[in-house]
Amino acid sequence: QQQVKQSPQSLIVQKGGISIINCAYENTAFDYFPWYQQFPGKGPALLIAIRPDVSEKKEGRFTISFNKSAKQFSLHIMDSQPGDSATYFCAANGGTYSGNTPLVFGKGTRLSVIA
Amino acid sequence: NAGVMQNPRHLVRRRGQEARLRCSPMKGHSHVYWYRQLPEEGLKFMVYLQKENIIDESGMPKERFSAEFPKEGPSILRIQQVVRGDSAAYFCASSPTLQGRGEQYFGPGTRLTVT
Repeated sequence: QQQVKQSPQSLIVQKGGISIINCAYENTAFDYFPWYQQFPGKGPALLIAIRPDVSEKKEGRFTISFNKSAKQFSLHIMDSQPGDSATYFCAANGGTYSGNTPLVFGKGTRLSVIA
Repeated sequence: NAGVMQNPRHLVRRRGQEARLRCSPMKGHSHVYWYRQLPEEGLKFMVYLQKENIIDESGMPKERFSAEFPKEGPSILRIQQVVRGDSAAYFCASSPTLQGRGEQYFGPGTRLTVT
């Protein structure tokens, strides 16, 4: 019920290509879906987030697509660059309290963008 | 506007010793969360605190682990009688006071090594 499943585990993309990472959740009480970017030895950095009242959110080269009926959401990185090489985590929270609840994380996707 | 601060960044302890990890949330944030990250895995929730209150400790082992967030000063995660399995990166996150704001901002983490 509390899981967030993320795929693929690793991804290699050519520079300039599109990176796509997918996540699925089970708990219908989740109402906030962020993506985090983590470089080795650093803490996760909030990249972009979406709530279920919209199906897509775009910030620069990063887009979240959200499918409420399928309980899935995905991150698209357009024009991928070597500097995007990092581990990406999807997460979800919501429901139990009045807004501030622990995040449930996917296991992460290690993205490598090659020139 | 300083981000979430954690110290120490690296901590080495021998089996049986105590580890104390500190976290200062972002200015204006009164919600603190502790997560643990094992190598090649996602982050797992441990405990959620507000000032002087533990809101949710469902992810924290019942023995040897404790957390506090006093009225004054940083939040502290305390691990007594550490074992090798406690070796991990421990991240603190904070979120705004306003209800319904789900975003959490992470610190750089404390990497605990138990020898």
